[in-house]
Amino acid sequence: DGGITQSPKYLFRKEGQNVTLSCEQNLNHDAMYWYRQDPGQGLRLIYYSQIVNDFQKGDIAEGYSVSREKKESFPLTVTSAQKNPTAFYLCASSALAGTDTQYFGPGTRLTVL
Amino acid sequence: SQQGEEDPQALSIQEGENATMNCSYKTSINNLQWYRQNSGRGLVHLILIRSNEREKHSGRLRVTLDTSKKSSSLLITASRAADTASYFCATDASGSGSARQLTFGSGTQLTVLP
Repeated sequence: DGGITQSPKYLFRKEGQNVTLSCEQNLNHDAMYWYRQDPGQGLRLIYYSQIVNDFQKGDIAEGYSVSREKKESFPLTVTSAQKNPTAFYLCASSALAGTDTQYFGPGTRLTVL
Repeated sequence: SQQGEEDPQALSIQEGENATMNCSYKTSINNLQWYRQNSGRGLVHLILIRSNEREKHSGRLRVTLDTSKKSSSLLITASRAADTASYFCATDASGSGSARQLTFGSGTQLTVLP
């Protein structure tokens, strides 16, 4: 059953803690993306990766970090440097970077207590 | 930066009516895509229209693209309560550097009343 998964669905974090969101895909896609969505708003690109061991900053990368050690996995770490981390985080993948259709995971809702 | 902006921000219609949403963008594009998002879920791709296309159909969906006006519209015909969702346009802007990405608008919240 091909697709893209994210875990956990809900995540609570205390201020000052780092937290890592998981994203896995078995679609054999080269490109993967992380977006942030705030209530009633569109998606803003945090980081993206076109191939393994390579990633690029998006529009709002400050306070976030990523790694791409495997083609299937693109975890996102929300660091304590992110001033307002409470949001809905969406991971996506595409066969080709940028132009191709993106397939989204179900999202992780992060709440900072 | 937001490349695409949807209009209206919210739309409420009766089941069976048609729903039209518009998207405007600022720079030249390679293609424009429409996505749907149910509340609290991920986005689902609906349709892609390339810059050299003017109209595209998929089931009850009809998308138009006017590159001279830098705008696109999404028409959902014979709407159903299950069409209730947020709809986003996403543009792939040409000439934005070595790695092109999609830029999403802020969305139209469609409510279809039974």
